[in-house]
Amino acid sequence: GDQVEQSPSALSLHEGTSSALRCNFTTTTRSVQWFRQNSRGSLINLFYLASGTKENGRLKSAFDSKELYSTLHIRDAQLEDSGTYFCAAASSSFSKLVFGQGTSLSVVP
Amino acid sequence: EAAVTQSPRNKVAVTGGKVTLSCNQTNNHNNMYWYRQDTGHGLRLIHYSYGAGSTEKGDIPDGYKASRPSQENFSLILELATPSQTSVYFCASGDVGGTEQFFGPGTRLTVL
Repeated sequence: GDQVEQSPSALSLHEGTSSALRCNFTTTTRSVQWFRQNSRGSLINLFYLASGTKENGRLKSAFDSKELYSTLHIRDAQLEDSGTYFCAAASSSFSKLVFGQGTSLSVVP
Repeated sequence: EAAVTQSPRNKVAVTGGKVTLSCNQTNNHNNMYWYRQDTGHGLRLIHYSYGAGSTEKGDIPDGYKASRPSQENFSLILELATPSQTSVYFCASGDVGGTEQFFGPGTRLTVL
């Protein structure tokens, strides 16, 4: 079945540093969404991409539908960026989302 | 204000009991979804709907039913709850033809 491989599974960053998260898709993906799950469990929409790149503040995401991957770049990490980040791929069947396993990000002083 | 709401936010049920989780959306989206999230995992699709009166099976439908009585409301029903159904349940809505989904705050269900 459809799979989304997300990496790394866990990441620790010092404040002010930058890093990237990645999702690889095993099948054709129409679009990708990125979420952050906060300490209360809420899923916060970060990006929706059908192609190309989007940027919002210190976050930037890219989606390459041909090469079957997406990335989320976090620049100048802040303590409030801590949480679990999920990517989710929209499959060809009825827009359902297939989620990756998540990246647990910890930003430390 | 929140466009996708869920009730209850927390629920404790007994094994064999009936549980109904409710979802309401004010996005005027045709599509609605129920997912569950287990510790350390991403979300998995249980049921979905593409309009009032329709329900479809997702990837893990066993033990669950769904009901879509109106555009705004989508319920998930556990007729005979089991401890394996202890989880956090998320409802979402999305546009027809589009794939961006918007999620509710989740319901934490514990089956004892």
